[in-house]
Amino acid sequence: DAKTTQPPSMDCAEGRAANLPCNHSTISGNEYVYWYRQIHSQGPQYIIHGLKNNETNEMASLIITEDRKSSTLILPHATLRDTAVYYCIVRVYNTDKLIFGTGTRLQVFP
Amino acid sequence: EPEVTQTPSHQVTQMGQEVILRCVPISNHLYFYWYRQILGQKVEFLVSFYNNEISEKSEIFDDQFSVERPDGSNFTLKIRSTKLEDSAMYFCASSPPTGGLNEQYFGPGTRLTVT
Repeated sequence: DAKTTQPPSMDCAEGRAANLPCNHSTISGNEYVYWYRQIHSQGPQYIIHGLKNNETNEMASLIITEDRKSSTLILPHATLRDTAVYYCIVRVYNTDKLIFGTGTRLQVFP
Repeated sequence: EPEVTQTPSHQVTQMGQEVILRCVPISNHLYFYWYRQILGQKVEFLVSFYNNEISEKSEIFDDQFSVERPDGSNFTLKIRSTKLEDSAMYFCASSPPTGGLNEQYFGPGTRLTVT
């Protein structure tokens, strides 16, 4: 089972920051947090991952709390094309697989 | 930008028939995966493959399933005798050579319909 809890849906106005929360209270010290998204029925798309430090790339920022029990994905300027299901995944140490939950359906509106 | 490609995009087959789903991973990647997503359900891990052998598989990946990297570029998933419940989107993914905790890049999927 997925080790994360996410709200089922969120809305965001175009051009505003989208902040997607994720709880992973049972995360272990060597487990990473990954974020993927799935636009309609396309293949999941990698966004970002991190262990304990905050991370930023061209797509998004990942903020991980100091106790690592939760994180937030930030899309700084959401566009209509960011409408998708966003998955927060804790990758179990020493395993190849990603365990997807039900994710957060983000709707960006004009 | 390099992409994972999959063929066909849609496959229709009759129950009991064998199907082979094909994937071309990103060229310098060494770790390969198959996932599936039944309509309206979660994305589920099936199998991972490295160095010409399966490194991990799920309970779904039973004796009816097999994977192969026949020619150094393609990565295939074979279902020997399809069942109605095998109808799903099948996604191939690959990871860079350093593997391990690296990100997985997914293909666009093959929609398998078993009638």
